[in-house]
Formats: sequence, structure tokens, C-alpha cells
Amino acid sequence: KQEVTQIPAALSVPEGENLVLNCSFTDSAIYNLQWFRQDPGKGLTSLLLIQSSQREQTSGRLNASLDKSSGRSTLYIAASQPGDSATYLCAVPQGGSEKLVFGKGTKLTVNP
Amino acid sequence: NAGVMQNPRHLVRRRGQEARLRCSPMKGHSHVYWYRQLPEEGLKFMVYLQKENIIDESGMPKERFSAEFPKEGPSILRIQQVVRGDSAAYFCASSSGQAAYGYTFGSGTRLTVV
Repeated sequence: KQEVTQIPAALSVPEGENLVLNCSFTDSAIYNLQWFRQDPGKGLTSLLLIQSSQREQTSGRLNASLDKSSGRSTLYIAASQPGDSATYLCAVPQGGSEKLVFGKGTKLTVNP
Repeated sequence: NAGVMQNPRHLVRRRGQEARLRCSPMKGHSHVYWYRQLPEEGLKFMVYLQKENIIDESGMPKERFSAEFPKEGPSILRIQQVVRGDSAAYFCASSSGQAAYGYTFGSGTRLTVV
């Protein structure tokens, strides 16, 4: 059974800082991994999708890496801004199925 | 491209009433997934549907919950005789069925049972 863990559960940083969010998963037989952002009371916004054959993906100030063999992914946010404050969720497929297993998220607060 | 549309955004029901949540997938997507987010918990898979077919309902409670995705119209998640423990955010996602392209989520329906 796939389990996803995200650490830390919460993170508070001053504006401008570079930061790393961590995600680990127990079953390395995944075909992709997706990072989402969730604002309070809102839906999920897809940030980055990494295929199993890739090691990283970049979008603007965001960079996500994937190490399948060790069951880990990191989301790197450069030069953080107050607008980055949100909960960041990591999700991987359960086995070979299409249902996603989510971590509980990292709640990020960027202070001006 | 309107994305995944869910309605209503907020729904209040009294205990014992029925709740109907609707989801229209993104244009071109024929696969729909429902997830539930309980307070202070992560998102949990409920059901996966294609048009007129339930593919995987392993995450659905055995009683009171049902889902459909008819040939025409939106997918419906139906909760009969709601209880306070059903209060949660219900999210719908859609995909083209090709895992390489990932999933797109709607804004969710927040159900409150009073």
C-alpha cells in the first residue's frame, strides 16, 4: 500500500529565502509524481508533474526533483514571496492504478 | 477552457437529508475522480469513473454514498441521509486517461451537515 509523507508539516520563512519541501513515498513503482498547491478554502492547483523517467522539472521559481529508487521528491522554491504562502501537496499513484495517494501537505507561510 | 467545474461551492444540509455534488470535467477529459478532504486530514480517493462506468470505487463508504457519470451531463456524487461526519471538502479531478498528463482538480464543494 502506497503511503506518502511530507515534512515539515509547517514552515515559516522570511520573504526572499530559498526553501525545500520534502516528500517521501513507500512504493517506488510509480509512473509519475505531481506537486499541487492549495490555498485556504480553495481547490488544488497543479504546479509540476514529473514522469518516472525524469529526474526534475522546473517552472519559474519552482524546481521539483524525483529520486524513484529512494522514494523521494523535493520541491525547491527560490526567492520566496508572501504570495507563495499556501499548503503544498505531493501525490503519487497507488500501485499501477489511476488513483492518487496524497501526503498531508506542508503549510508554508512567507512573511513580508 | 473552463477547467473542472464543481457546483455548488458550498452546501449546507441537515442531518438525514440528501446531498448532490456535481462535477463537469475539463473539455476533452473522459475520466473523473472524486476525493474527500476531512478537516485536518489529507485528500482520500473515493471513486474513479468513466462515462457510464464505475471503474474503481474502493474508496467509497459502502453505505449512503453513490456516484455516477452519465453519457450526458456532469458526474454526480450523491450522499444519502447525511451525518455530521460527512462534513468535508469534496474535490473532483479529471484526466484524459493518459497518466503522462496528470490530473486537473476543481475548486471543490464544501459540505456542512448541521
